Amino acid sequence: SQQGEEDPQALSIQEGENATMNCSYKTSINNLQWYRQNSGRGLVHLILIRSNEREKHSGRLRVTLDTSKKSSSLLITASRAADTASYFCATDSANSKLTFGKGITLSVRP
Amino acid sequence: GAGVSQSPSNKVTEKGKDVELRCDPISGHTALYWYRQSLGQGLEFLIYFQGNSAPDKSGLPSDRFSAERTGGSVSTLTIQRTQQEDSAVYLCASRSGTIVSYEQYFGPGTRLTVT
Repeated sequence: SQQGEEDPQALSIQEGENATMNCSYKTSINNLQWYRQNSGRGLVHLILIRSNEREKHSGRLRVTLDTSKKSSSLLITASRAADTASYFCATDSANSKLTFGKGITLSVRP
Repeated sequence: GAGVSQSPSNKVTEKGKDVELRCDPISGHTALYWYRQSLGQGLEFLIYFQGNSAPDKSGLPSDRFSAERTGGSVSTLTIQRTQQEDSAVYLCASRSGTIVSYEQYFGPGTRLTVT
């Protein structure tokens, strides 16, 4: 079953604009992670935020976590064409297996 | 250092045949996971190995699926009597240690097509 649900399902923006992607989940978590997938193959870890954290930054990435609303957002600032990919949120619960959403397809137009 | 590797990268098989998919995790990583990603779907957890503990098999969709991890390193996912609905990309990931806050490192996946 899907724990994380991302929205929108697809996002198309112009290079240089910011991209905001949202994720909601259902059960309590230890942490929430965001991954990127290019061309339907291996995933690359982007950022992890623990359940006791509210905001985290890594380069052009900013992730927020609201455990009261069971939601997270990923912001990519100053987007580039190379950011075009699918983005997944994944929740890590007590049994340490990740539960992924269906992903968001981001297209950045040059 | 080397990342997670998987083989083969692509596998086409006839319905009813058995297939074996291999995963070589990052050296020293004690946790190993198998996931399945079907077209247009998210990633579905299949099985989880942690050190010498009994594996968490709760995600395996049927008894046609099995996996083993020999010597705490290489893992093999076996699908017996393949069906067309088994067609998917099978992804392996490894993680360092037992702390759940560590990220998972994914391999490039094996694309399985059952004809």
